[in-house]
Amino acid sequence: GENVEQHPSTLSVQEGDSAVIKCTYSDSASNYFPWYKQELGKGPQLIIDIRSNVGEKKDQRIAVTLNKTAKHFSLHITETQPEDSAVYFCAASTDSGYALNFGKGTSLLVTP
Amino acid sequence: NAGVMQNPRHLVRRRGQEARLRCSPMKGHSHVYWYRQLPEEGLKFMVYLQKENIIDESGMPKERFSAEFPKEGPSILRIQQVVRGDSAAYFCASSHRGTNYGYTFGSGTRLTVV
Repeated sequence: GENVEQHPSTLSVQEGDSAVIKCTYSDSASNYFPWYKQELGKGPQLIIDIRSNVGEKKDQRIAVTLNKTAKHFSLHITETQPEDSAVYFCAASTDSGYALNFGKGTSLLVTP
Repeated sequence: NAGVMQNPRHLVRRRGQEARLRCSPMKGHSHVYWYRQLPEEGLKFMVYLQKENIIDESGMPKERFSAEFPKEGPSILRIQQVVRGDSAAYFCASSHRGTNYGYTFGSGTRLTVV
């Protein structure tokens, strides 16, 4: 089955700096890669996703890059703000699938 | 337009008791997925249901766990004879079609077994 590894497990940055979270996956059939943000006491919220037919996708301060050859994808958050503090999860799946395989999460802390 | 509703938010059970977790999908969604999140871990897929049908329960423990999604009412995840290892956050997600695209998660039920 699919195995998703996520690094780092914790990340602390100063407000205004960039944050990068990296994930690798094992199943070459995976072609859908969403990122979720989970705030304390809440469920995961989809923040951005990418499919394997593109290498990069941007949405304001958030971007995701995908390298299918190396089987890794990354989340980039620029100009971080304290409200970006949360746990971020990457996931991988096939486009036609319904189950997501999640990484273990990265706890991001943005300090003012 | 309410999102995915899960209740209760917190549930405490003694070892050996039964836990019943409820999930009402978003309006118009007929596909429900349950995931479990152990402390310091990512979410793990448990089961995928449509109305009155279990489509895939490959992620669910073979014993003590069951799930249903009746024609009327919420989806129920039932854990019989709970043990301490069942303590976790249980999340439900729903979608319009049977796909991982457009998943909407609820806020979860945090089960504590004492």
